Amino acid sequence: AQTVTQSQPEMSVQEAETVTLSCTYDTSENNYYLFWYKQPPSRQMILVIRQEAYKQQNATENRFSVNFQKAAKSFSLKISDSQLGDTAMYFCAFMKHVGAQKLVFGQGTRLTINP
Amino acid sequence: NAGVTQTPKFRVLKTGQSMTLLCAQDMNHEYMYWYRQDPGMGLRLIHYSVGEGTTAKGEVPDGYNVSRLKKQNFLLGLESAAPSQTSVYFCASSYEGTGKGQPQHFGDGTRLSIL
Repeated sequence: AQTVTQSQPEMSVQEAETVTLSCTYDTSENNYYLFWYKQPPSRQMILVIRQEAYKQQNATENRFSVNFQKAAKSFSLKISDSQLGDTAMYFCAFMKHVGAQKLVFGQGTRLTINP
Repeated sequence: NAGVTQTPKFRVLKTGQSMTLLCAQDMNHEYMYWYRQDPGMGLRLIHYSVGEGTTAKGEVPDGYNVSRLKKQNFLLGLESAAPSQTSVYFCASSYEGTGKGQPQHFGDGTRLSIL
């Protein structure tokens, strides 16, 4: 079974700083997908970024980028020029390539952006 | 376009009572999922469905039942509620139309308290 580990329960940075959230996973699959979801205090689950394991290039979405290290089974999220609206819980999630597209989530990292 | 709608948003039950959570999606997605979110544990999959009339067990199915009689609806039932089922419940849906690894779309969650 796949497992996802987020080793940082909480992080706090100042506005405009860059912050990196860590995620590691364990799988015997060769082809899979990785996601970061954001959950603000409103409780919504919002997709931040998606990475396909068979693509070497790291995914980017505006101020959000990932460092995907397949051999190390590491998938970190970098937030540049952090904003107050980035304050949220962030979840890393794994999806196998085959099957019902189920997600396996990490425990989450609570990120606080301070003014 | 409402996306994924969960009903109700909040409910308090007494131990032993039963209830049904309703999830409706208007995106014509094949796949639907029920998760529970507990502090420090991320989201865990309860049950899922890969199409109308089908259901399957996830990681934590005990004490829950589901039905998917119509493609757009996925119901989660608690036959005899227990305090351990106090949680926030999320419904999600996804499709495979343009290939594997599509992100899941989430509802706003239902906060359920069992006294």
